[in-house]
Amino acid sequence: EAGVVQSPRYKIIEKKQPVAFWCNPISGHNTLYWYRQNLGQGPELLIRYENEEAVDDSQLPKDRFSAERLKGVDSTLKIQPAELGDSAVYLCASSYTAGLPVTDTQYFGPGTRLTVL
Amino acid sequence: AQKITQTQPGMFVQEKEAVTLDCTYDTSDQSYGLFWYKQPSSGEMIFLIYQGSYDEQNATEGRYSLNFQKARKSANLVISASQLGDSAMYFCAMREGRVLTGGGNKLTFGTGTQLKVEL
Repeated sequence: EAGVVQSPRYKIIEKKQPVAFWCNPISGHNTLYWYRQNLGQGPELLIRYENEEAVDDSQLPKDRFSAERLKGVDSTLKIQPAELGDSAVYLCASSYTAGLPVTDTQYFGPGTRLTVL
Repeated sequence: AQKITQTQPGMFVQEKEAVTLDCTYDTSDQSYGLFWYKQPSSGEMIFLIYQGSYDEQNATEGRYSLNFQKARKSANLVISASQLGDSAMYFCAMREGRVLTGGGNKLTFGTGTQLKVEL
């Protein structure tokens, strides 16, 4: 079974430029998460989707960040415009919570390492 | 207060020896879950082991076991027979609240412990 797929793996941009990250979750997983991991820290949640609905976006900086999960499968996270402080690894994860037994273990993708110059 | 505390920024262990990575947590919920993930230098977070707050037995998965002491709010990871491939960053994480059908919940992570396995 394929794991969580993310692209690109690495991205280098100049500040004020836009950038987008793509995530394809594990097949059948209804919940999708975007986390940001700063250097030397653990990941922190940006947004959580249940199917196509964003149910927790309280930590998403909405002035510059946006996300979508069309058709409840793939998801895209966008930053526009990027700032120096956005340099981090952006991790996508998915879990299955749609039926019994409920196992909410989150499986992560390889991440996108963003560098803003 | 930090919800997840990992006090060991770095650990060294000899190959084939056992090692314990510490994790303490803080929550007022009665129902919660504790997870350990491994993050090699490649960056991917790999799920290792899970312990539910109502689980009476300590979780085990192969060479990984979780020493769960609920009264002390600790959930230490024990790796037996360490291998060179175990060298990585290890994160403890907590899900607060019940697991609900149709709803996930965010994980709160600690700052991690960098483990180095030596020959």
